Amino acid sequence: DVKVTQSSRYLVKRTGEKVFLECVQDMDHENMFWYRQDPGLGLRLIYFSYDVKMKEKGDIPEGYSVSREKKERFSLILESASTNQTSMYLCASSFLGEAFFGQGTRLTVV
Amino acid sequence: GENVEQHPSTLSVQEGDSAVIKCTYSDSASNYFPWYKQELGKRPQLIIDIRSNVGEKKDQRIAVTLNKTAKHFSLHITETQPEDSAVYFCAAISGSARQLTFGSGTQLTVLP
Repeated sequence: DVKVTQSSRYLVKRTGEKVFLECVQDMDHENMFWYRQDPGLGLRLIYFSYDVKMKEKGDIPEGYSVSREKKERFSLILESASTNQTSMYLCASSFLGEAFFGQGTRLTVV
Repeated sequence: GENVEQHPSTLSVQEGDSAVIKCTYSDSASNYFPWYKQELGKRPQLIIDIRSNVGEKKDQRIAVTLNKTAKHFSLHITETQPEDSAVYFCAAISGSARQLTFGSGTQLTVLP
C-alpha cells in the first residue's frame, strides 16, 4: 500500500517566516508534486519533480521553492510567508500517471 | 502548459439518478485522464482513469468517456447513492511534460 506522508496536518505561521512543508513517499516513485487547494479553484500545481535534484515550475510557483535531495522526500519552502498563502497544501507522488496524495497540511499565515 | 476546465462546479441529484461531469483539455499531447474523488476532510483518491487509445471505460456504476478529437472527457455515475456525495476532480497528463493538471472540481450532492 502506497504511503505518502506530510510532516504536519495543521500549521500556523507568522507573516515573513520561512516555512518548510515536508513530504515523504515510500514507493520509490520518480514523480512528486505539490498542490495547493482552495475552494472553487481546485488543485493548483505549485511545483513538481521527476527526479532527484530536478524540479519544474507548475502553474503558481511565485513565492515558493522546492527541494528534492533524496528520491523519497520532496520539500516545499515558503521563503517569506504571506497571508495569501493560507491554504491547504497537498503533496502527491505518481507512478504511470496515477497520483497518490498525502493527507494535506492546512497552513494558516497570520 | 495544459489547461483543464471542469463543469459544473456543483451538481445535485436525487438518489438513484445519474450524474455527469464534463472536462475539456487544451494540450493535444495529453494521453492520460484520471478522475479523483475527495470526500470531506480526506485526500483525493483515484476512482477511474482512461488512456488516449480507449474511448470508454466502465467500472460498475462509474464510466468515463473520451473524445480526443474534441478534447473532452466525461465521468458518468449511474444509480447514485448518498455515499457518492463528494468533490470530483478530473485531470490530464501529457507524457512529455509529466505534469498532472487538475480541473477545478465538482461538488456532487446526492439527495436521499
